[in-house]
Amino acid sequence: GAGVSQSPRYKVAKRGQDVALRCDPISGHVSLFWYQQALGQGPEFLTYFQNEAQLDKSGLPSDRFFAERPEGSVSTLKIQRTQQEDSAVYLCAGAGTTKETQYFGPGTRLLVL
Amino acid sequence: KNQVEQSPQSLIILEGKNCTLQCNYTVSPFSNLRWYKQDTGRGPVSLTIMTFSENTKSNGRYTATLDADTKQSSLHITASQLSDSASYICVVSAESSASKIIFGSGTRLSIRP
Repeated sequence: GAGVSQSPRYKVAKRGQDVALRCDPISGHVSLFWYQQALGQGPEFLTYFQNEAQLDKSGLPSDRFFAERPEGSVSTLKIQRTQQEDSAVYLCAGAGTTKETQYFGPGTRLLVL
Repeated sequence: KNQVEQSPQSLIILEGKNCTLQCNYTVSPFSNLRWYKQDTGRGPVSLTIMTFSENTKSNGRYTATLDADTKQSSLHITASQLSDSASYICVVSAESSASKIIFGSGTRLSIRP
């Protein structure tokens, strides 16, 4: 496709449930970022990949959050034992390099009940 | 602490009017500053990107300015249109490290007919 896609677009989870959020970046984008965006706030950095290597995961809020990009293209953000405070929009962005413009997906809106 | 502060938090103007959004940052060392537009329910879309040596950049009716000495940027929108209603986010990169891409909380702009 021409842009970044994310799935699912919406996810409702019961507290304690595990979820997996998928990101399909633009083909050829080496860099891939995950962000968490609370309502009315700007995105906050979670983690960054260069190809398949996870170079920075300093923004992941707890060890319940795990991200992977095994083949350097599609990435998955997994949240184990979801909590209500995990409710947010999770954005994925790709770029040629970290200094270039980031192209964002539409986000996955996660609601934990 | 690296921070990006935006003002106003929200703004309502009439269609056809101009407006200016502000961004102050304390991110250091500075690499570049970007303005993004985020429509409701969508990911951010890049409007402009400026490096240290650039003090103005235009993209159609959008003009961004940067004063690296005072660490301030502004986004001026000319002849506003209803489609300009969105959140405008200022993003400052400190260096090539992905985790040092700091997002402001955004200004929510509403254009009234």
